[in-house]
Amino acid sequence: KAGVTQTPRYLIKTRGQQVTLSCSPISGHRSVSWYQQTPGQGLQFLFEYFSETQRNKGNFPGRFSGRQFSNSRSEMNVSTLELGDSALYLCASSPFTSTDTQYFGPGTRLTVL
Amino acid sequence: GQQLNQSPQSMFIQEGEDVSMNCTSSSIFNTWLWYKQDPGEGPVLLIALYKAGELTSNGRLTAQFGITRKDSFLNISASIPSDVGIYFCAGRVGGSSNTGKLIFGQGTTLQVKP
Repeated sequence: KAGVTQTPRYLIKTRGQQVTLSCSPISGHRSVSWYQQTPGQGLQFLFEYFSETQRNKGNFPGRFSGRQFSNSRSEMNVSTLELGDSALYLCASSPFTSTDTQYFGPGTRLTVL
Repeated sequence: GQQLNQSPQSMFIQEGEDVSMNCTSSSIFNTWLWYKQDPGEGPVLLIALYKAGELTSNGRLTAQFGITRKDSFLNISASIPSDVGIYFCAGRVGGSSNTGKLIFGQGTTLQVKP
């Protein structure tokens, strides 16, 4: 089975721009979660989608949004980028079974200049 | 909000030594997870714990879910060079065991000297 894929792997943007990141979960997985990883704050939960519905949301401003499509692929959007948005954005998928196994992708490294 | 305190922040040990790291919180969690992250990769799940007092092993790794549900530890026995990486604990709050958001510790960076 192919793993979780994220595109693009690297991205450079300037302040004020917006960005869209993409995540393709493992085939058959219906739950997708997004995390932001920074040296100072560590791994922080952004949101989780299951069957195209947002199930959980972290404590991030409304500039961070996401969606999930019927094929379980997910996108995350950040509008009006700020310097502090520079981070590794990780996507994780899980089949939504009684186990908690979340499989992470390699991440998208976003740099805001 | 909920926070996890993971310690130590970093460790530099000799190959063959045992390693111990732990996470504590003032909040109660219904699941504890331990992940390892290699450079340039996403975290990989090592061990999942679902019940207070549960002790689970995965090869040379052993983890326990604290009785109070506010802490967990991970032990690595007989460390080898490929154990190098960042280890994260994560606790799940809210919902059933497979719902609810994950909160991660700050990570323990492990370096192993051959």
